[in-house]
Amino acid sequence: DQQVKQNSPSLSVQEGRISILNCDYTNSMFDYFLWYKKYPAEGPTFLISISSIKDKNEDGRFTVFLNKSAKHLSLHIVPSQPGDSAVYFCAASGSGTDKLIFGTGTRLQVFP
Amino acid sequence: KAGVTQTPRYLIKTRGQQVTLSCSPISGHRSVSWYQQTPGQGLQFLFEYFSETQRNKGNFPGRFSGRQFSNSRSEMNVSTLELGDSALYLCASSSNAGLMGNTEAFFGQGTRLTVV
Repeated sequence: DQQVKQNSPSLSVQEGRISILNCDYTNSMFDYFLWYKKYPAEGPTFLISISSIKDKNEDGRFTVFLNKSAKHLSLHIVPSQPGDSAVYFCAASGSGTDKLIFGTGTRLQVFP
Repeated sequence: KAGVTQTPRYLIKTRGQQVTLSCSPISGHRSVSWYQQTPGQGLQFLFEYFSETQRNKGNFPGRFSGRQFSNSRSEMNVSTLELGDSALYLCASSSNAGLMGNTEAFFGQGTRLTVV
């Protein structure tokens, strides 16, 4: 049972345009959401997070939006850069548990 | 501040053997989690240790086990290896000391295990 889903395995975006990565979850107990970026041969690195008390969190070119009623979150990267090419994982956790549940990842390719 | 260190980086084992992977968390971090990454499956949670106690466990068979030492270093053991155990095993540490899940985890580079 995949509690966190990233239905797009890959995304290709032109440099300078917006990249939108989507994530859906099924467990209504999740109240903290994170995005990680992973380059080949490296471990995932934390990118940005959002608590369920917010619906938006922004950090530079990265913005995460949370729609609790739809159990959906998205990561916007504006403007996209070639260095953003990586696999992006969304993850979720809930109060009372310390484990992160990850999605299957979306491979983003930013081309010139 | 040193990051999360996993050893070895690469490992090749034969079916039926057992393997032990090691993880040294960031200094001061007491929570260590282990994940298995395979193509198309994302990062599957194995287990999490905090202060030498297993706090959470994923849906993996009993062949997968772990432990944590008093210095927070953790080991993961897989016995009777199967071909399907070939994966990247990632360790993550966090400073989370309580029950709130609002803490980001920091990952090591992983151990690439190949079972032949």
